Amino acid sequence: GAVVSQHPSWVICKSGTSVKIECRSLDFQATTMFWYRQFPKQSLMLMATSNEGSKATYEQGVEKDKFLINHASLTLSTLTVTSAHPEDSSFYICSARDWGTGGGEQYFGPGTRLTVT
Amino acid sequence: QQPVQSPQAVILREGEDAVINCSSSKALYSVHWYRQKHGEAPVFLMILLKGGEQKGHEKISASFNEKKQQSSLYLTASQLSYSGTYFCGTEIAGGGTSYGKLTFGQGTILTVHP
Repeated sequence: GAVVSQHPSWVICKSGTSVKIECRSLDFQATTMFWYRQFPKQSLMLMATSNEGSKATYEQGVEKDKFLINHASLTLSTLTVTSAHPEDSSFYICSARDWGTGGGEQYFGPGTRLTVT
Repeated sequence: QQPVQSPQAVILREGEDAVINCSSSKALYSVHWYRQKHGEAPVFLMILLKGGEQKGHEKISASFNEKKQQSSLYLTASQLSYSGTYFCGTEIAGGGTSYGKLTFGQGTILTVHP
């Protein structure tokens, strides 16, 4: 299957600082990538859809000024958590769909565990 | 809009079979199945497309009944490595603002004992 990488795998930051997370599709081009967050023992909640060359589409209730998304190329999307607070601590996972195989399988990156102190 | 998975949890002994169901209230274009181990990201298992597919991968197979908006994941002769949380992700038919997006069920925790 296709490979999606994510960096960093974990980060600890102080309250009020910003954190950038990178998501890359390694062996296919992704015009669209997705950002999820997951709290312990809960399901995956879609935060936003990242579109190459245009603005991201945010899900209802997600603050677009807090979670900045940039899809700079067909293989790279970044999520910046601005002015992070302890309640932003979570597991952030990106994904991309590989339409080259016809079905549009969605592959997840390994995730980034963010801890805000 | 979140699909409903059942059961919420299942405990098996090695070699036993299990079925996990995923049901949606909306017409679906595709259903995706994933397994997630503790502390890791979900791993893709298979995708089923509109058209009433049934797929198989070694001892794991799945079916998709588009008329009922239901999908089932079948795990046969379970192995210890099958333990984890299984999620179905559904894509609504018709596209529009939902194009390409998956909505995930609440997950089914599968535990396989020796």
